[in-house]
Amino acid sequence: LAKTTQPISMDSYEGQEVNITCSHNNIATNDYITWYQQFPSQGPRFIIQGYKTKVTNEVASLFIPADRKSSTLSLPRVSLSDTAVYYCLVGEGFSGGYNKLIFGAGTRLAVHP
Amino acid sequence: DVKVTQSSRYLVKRTGEKVFLECVQDMDHENMFWYRQDPGLGLRLIYFSYDVKMKEKGDIPEGYSVSREKKERFSLILESASTNQTSMYLCASRATVNEQFFGPGTRLTVL
Repeated sequence: LAKTTQPISMDSYEGQEVNITCSHNNIATNDYITWYQQFPSQGPRFIIQGYKTKVTNEVASLFIPADRKSSTLSLPRVSLSDTAVYYCLVGEGFSGGYNKLIFGAGTRLAVHP
Repeated sequence: DVKVTQSSRYLVKRTGEKVFLECVQDMDHENMFWYRQDPGLGLRLIYFSYDVKMKEKGDIPEGYSVSREKKERFSLILESASTNQTSMYLCASRATVNEQFFGPGTRLTVL
């Protein structure tokens, strides 16, 4: 299982774009990259997942370079409610069976007024 | 709207008590998981179940057992609670590749 490294904390202001980068040098061919968000006293919530290039949904964008050794979660125009811990995970992608998720310490994002 | 519910948000028990944490999902998922989350340690997998009556140990199963009699329900059991089991317990069920839906968590305090 590939280990991930991401910043412990980040600060931003309302209306700014926030980019959180995660490195995963040992990512395997079958691994997908997934990001979760967790608010205090709640369980993590799936944000976005990708395998290569760029993925965008209504919440965020995920940029993955060709070598897939890193990925960047981009949150456009953050608000105070985006203050949370963001986890980057890599895991084997197959439709059946069990795949194990490993949550690291995450990145604590604080959005200021 | 998909939903994972846990029986209690907060629970206080005494050392040596038997503790049951219940988790129910309404998404017909086959895979369900129990994690605990502690400051500085992230989420750690205790047990998971890939089908009814099937279970596998995670990374930290000692002191815990599980039960999955019905597809929608996955129970975590602390046979004899100890103070080092004071933690936030999170249940999840698996949807697609790497996507798990988490419940709100149960904050357990063992005195």
